[in-house]
Amino acid sequence: NAGVMQNPRHLVRRRGQEARLRCSPMKGHSHVYWYRQLPEEGLKFMVYLQKENIIDESGMPKERFSAEFPKEGPSILRIQQVVRGDSAAYFCASSPTGSMNTEAFFGQGTRLTVV
Amino acid sequence: EDKVVQSPLSLVVHEGDTVTLNCSYEVTNFRSLLWYKQEKKAPTFLFMLTSSGIEKKSGRLSSILDKKELFSILNITATQTGDSAIYLCARSGAGSYQLTFGKGTKLSVIP
Repeated sequence: NAGVMQNPRHLVRRRGQEARLRCSPMKGHSHVYWYRQLPEEGLKFMVYLQKENIIDESGMPKERFSAEFPKEGPSILRIQQVVRGDSAAYFCASSPTGSMNTEAFFGQGTRLTVV
Repeated sequence: EDKVVQSPLSLVVHEGDTVTLNCSYEVTNFRSLLWYKQEKKAPTFLFMLTSSGIEKKSGRLSSILDKKELFSILNITATQTGDSAIYLCARSGAGSYQLTFGKGTKLSVIP
């Protein structure tokens, strides 16, 4: 049973480009969460999605950021017109229920660098 | 904003030492306190604590929660170089999917 798969592991984008981060949850998990880890900071919640639904996006910046979890395929975190401040590690977690408890697992993360 | 404060921010010990990592949190809508280990990759789950005074143990690691004083500790005995990592503490609130993390304690174990 593969764990939470994120790709790419590393992504370099120039300012103004778009970044697309992908997350495939663990088999049997229909709840996905995205967290961002800025340098020297703790992980911060961004968004919680179930299949085809955004449940809570209270941690997402109001502009340029969007997330989806389609019926088929991975969850996508999309950052438009990236700026240097978007450079961070983006982690995805998944769980079988809507709870970050013992059954929730994190992926390896995507490290985004904006140059 | 709910806060989780970890101390120390970094720690260097020798193999065989015992370490205690601290985590304090604010109480608003508290449900549980979680510990993770992060070694340059995915945070991996260690413990989840919901009740005061009940120690959770896994090998050389143990953790306990004090809901009256609003803190938790993570103990590692007989440390090994493989314990070198960032240890993250997080609390979940009423929305149990939304964890609030501390900045972590970076532990370095030297031979």
